[in-house]
Amino acid sequence: GAVVSQHPSRVICKSGTSVKIECRSLDFQATTMFWYRQFPKQSLMLMATSNEGSKATYEQGVEKDKFLINHASLTLSTLTVTSAHPEDSSFYICSAALSGNEQFFGPGTRLTVL
Amino acid sequence: GNSVTQMEGPVTLSEEAFLTINCTYTATGYPSLFWYVQYPGEGLQLLLKATKADDKGSNKGFEATYRKETTSFHLEKGSVQVSDSAVYFCALSARGATNKLIFGTGTLLAVQP
Repeated sequence: GAVVSQHPSRVICKSGTSVKIECRSLDFQATTMFWYRQFPKQSLMLMATSNEGSKATYEQGVEKDKFLINHASLTLSTLTVTSAHPEDSSFYICSAALSGNEQFFGPGTRLTVL
Repeated sequence: GNSVTQMEGPVTLSEEAFLTINCTYTATGYPSLFWYVQYPGEGLQLLLKATKADDKGSNKGFEATYRKETTSFHLEKGSVQVSDSAVYFCALSARGATNKLIFGTGTLLAVQP
């Protein structure tokens, strides 16, 4: 199956700093990438959908100025958590898909904000 | 709105035991239904899916049947193995929602030898 990577796998940062998470589709070109957030013992919550070359579509309640998404190419999307605070600590998961088809998920990034 | 409810874990079974993980959904129209599996340290992988009522998805010995009358999509396996230990997520995608997935909370399965 298709492979999606995320980097870093875990990151610890100080409150007020910004953190960038990369999501790459390694062996296919993804027209759409999705970003999810997962709290302990809770389901994956879709944060935003991004299409290559266009602005991301954010789900209700997700601050677009705080969670900046860039989908600059068909194999790379980035999520930047700006001015991170402890409440932003979470597990962030991306997925990539060809339009209308199966999503392939990355292994996730554990963010801890001190 | 659309939602998925699945049984809480962890579920602990002995090898070769029968597995059922319950999943029910709420959705308008006729969604597609999925089971994803997440092995330790890896990303979610599609295990099986069903796109219309009475469809049965199956893969690796796992099965789930799309039951519209009970709005359910329970996951079953007749004989689990230690290698099946993972977190299992039930999910739905509403018609016309362009891949958008709504997940249940996940159920941790631990199979003991």
